[in-house]
Amino acid sequence: AQKVTQAQTEISVVEKEDVTLDCVYETRDTTYYLFWYKQPPSGELVFLIRRNSFDEQNEISGRYSWNFQKSTSSFNFTITASQVVDSAVYFCALLQGGSEKLVFGKGMKLTVNP
Amino acid sequence: EPEVTQTPSHQVTQMGQEVILRCVPISNHLYFYWYRQILGQKVEFLVSFYNNEISEKSEIFDDQFSVERPDGSNFTLKIRSTKLEDSAMYFCASRLLWNTEAFFGQGTRLTVV
Repeated sequence: AQKVTQAQTEISVVEKEDVTLDCVYETRDTTYYLFWYKQPPSGELVFLIRRNSFDEQNEISGRYSWNFQKSTSSFNFTITASQVVDSAVYFCALLQGGSEKLVFGKGMKLTVNP
Repeated sequence: EPEVTQTPSHQVTQMGQEVILRCVPISNHLYFYWYRQILGQKVEFLVSFYNNEISEKSEIFDDQFSVERPDGSNFTLKIRSTKLEDSAMYFCASRLLWNTEAFFGQGTRLTVV
């Protein structure tokens, strides 16, 4: 069975604070892919990053960074120096190798206040 | 930048009516998907489509649902006889053959009354 857990449902921060969004996944496969998507108030789903199970390198893109740890089955997402435009719902998702079905977590609503 | 486009952005329909949700995937993408998100809940997979046939579907995707690629650019989701519980945001997505990341459209909000 595959599952994605985002334990935090909602976080509120003040602009310029750093914030980490947690994601824990479950899968029996050795080949899988992990994703983060952003859903701003306008409703669309915006792809942020993909990681495959063989690549545990952490990644940084501007103010965004991702920490993939297979030992704890986690793929956490950190926003540094948050901005109001970061306010959105963030979804972590899992794709098992050989499947077309993206399994999403329940999402985490981030509110960044000025 | 190429994007997945969906029409309409919002559709209201009466229970029991048929609806067709339309999508234009990114032009060189070969895999197409429909997902739905009931208000305030997580995004759920409905179906994937490749090479003019369904490649995978979820248990949600029952006989009430069908998908079609009627021409070289459109990808549609038909719900034959809508129920109140079909009210949701429906997302179309597409991806390249050799990449795993799917790009989503802006969604169609379906309201069944």
